[in-house]
This record gives sequence, C-alpha cells and structure tokens, in this order.
Amino acid sequence: GQQLNQSPQSMFIQEGEDVSMNCTSSSIFNTWLWYKQDPGEGPVLLIALYKAGELTSNGRLTAQFGITRKDSFLNISASIPSDVGIYFCAGRSPGSGNTGKLIFGQGTTLQVKP
Amino acid sequence: ETGVTQSPTHLIKTRGQQVTLRCSSQSGHNTVSWYQQALGQGPQFIFQYYREEENGRGNFPPRFSGLQFPNYSSELNVNALELDDSALYLCASSFGTGYYGYTFGSGTRLTVV
Repeated sequence: GQQLNQSPQSMFIQEGEDVSMNCTSSSIFNTWLWYKQDPGEGPVLLIALYKAGELTSNGRLTAQFGITRKDSFLNISASIPSDVGIYFCAGRSPGSGNTGKLIFGQGTTLQVKP
Repeated sequence: ETGVTQSPTHLIKTRGQQVTLRCSSQSGHNTVSWYQQALGQGPQFIFQYYREEENGRGNFPPRFSGLQFPNYSSELNVNALELDDSALYLCASSFGTGYYGYTFGSGTRLTVV
C-alpha cells in the first residue's frame, strides 16, 4: 500500500534554531496536511496544502506542497520549548475518492533544549 | 464549539474479548473517521462513516466494525481482540469528506492482555 517516508525520525535542537522536516511518497497526493501531536492527545492540524507548489504559513510554521505532488516539507523558525512534540505529515491520494482516508508518515519527534 | 470527545480514555481487555469505543463529533461535523495508532507509529485509517453508512475502509479485518448515529456520534467495535490490537484509537470528525482537515479526539488507549 501507499506509504509516506518522513524524515528525520527525531531532532534535538537548541531553542531559537530553525527546524526542517519533510515527507516523500512514491505516488502522488492531492492534499498534504501537517499535524502536531502532544503526549496523551490527538493530532492537531497545523497547515493544509491543496495545490502543487503551494507555500503556506501559520505563524512561525511554513509548509510547501512539492511540485511533483510526491513530497512536502515543514519548516519551524525560531523554535521555542512549546514546539516539543511529534509532527506528522499526512496525505490524501486521488484514489481515496470521498472516503476521507489519510495516509500518515511515521512522525518526527522534536525536542527543544532551552 | 465543543471538540471531538472520546470515551473511555483508557481500557484494558483480555484477548478474545469484545470492546466498544465511543466518539462524539465536533459540533457541525457530519463525518467520523477512526484511526488506529500503534506505539511509535503514525495513525492508520480504519474506516469512515457518513450519513450512518461506512464510506471507506482501510486494511482492517471485518472484526473491526462501526456505527454512526443520527446525531453523528459513532462507535468502533472490535471483536475477538488480539494482542496486536493494543493501540491508541483516534476518532476524527469533519464536515463532508474533510477537505479542510479533520479534528481529532484525544483517543482511547486500549491494552489487550
């Protein structure tokens, strides 16, 4: 089945540093979503992307929908301690129709050192 | 506006038993999806319910079944529990097919012993 490869698997950075993570797929997607999950909670939507090449920002977060429709990246600028958590990419393929099926990456665990 | 609520938050069951998990969708949402999240993994799509009917299913056996009620709340039922069913079960609601994304609940942590 379809899989998303998300990298890096984990990051340990200093407060104030910028962060970059990405997701790649062997097949195309028509929607890319980025979620953050805190311990004991469900994923929370950060950014949604709907068109190839689209670049969208949400505060210190910026995400892009790759031109090939097979990848996406998420950047976090000037990281702060509350950025700690697990970040997931998720994609919806053209074949999912109206099922609403999302395919998730394995997650990137971010730790920020004050 | 209330978010997605799930119950119970934690559950311990014995292998072979049956379990029912419950989900109340966010106000204004008419579609519910269920996901299974194993430890250290991303969520895996189980199925989606729209207008009280299953509207898409992932790679899960028939012992995973569900219901959606007229008020859009939903249940996930798992029969003949196996040890590998131990996971966080997430409910997500949306309006329509979720074009604008899904709102997830905090999940039910199921442990099968």
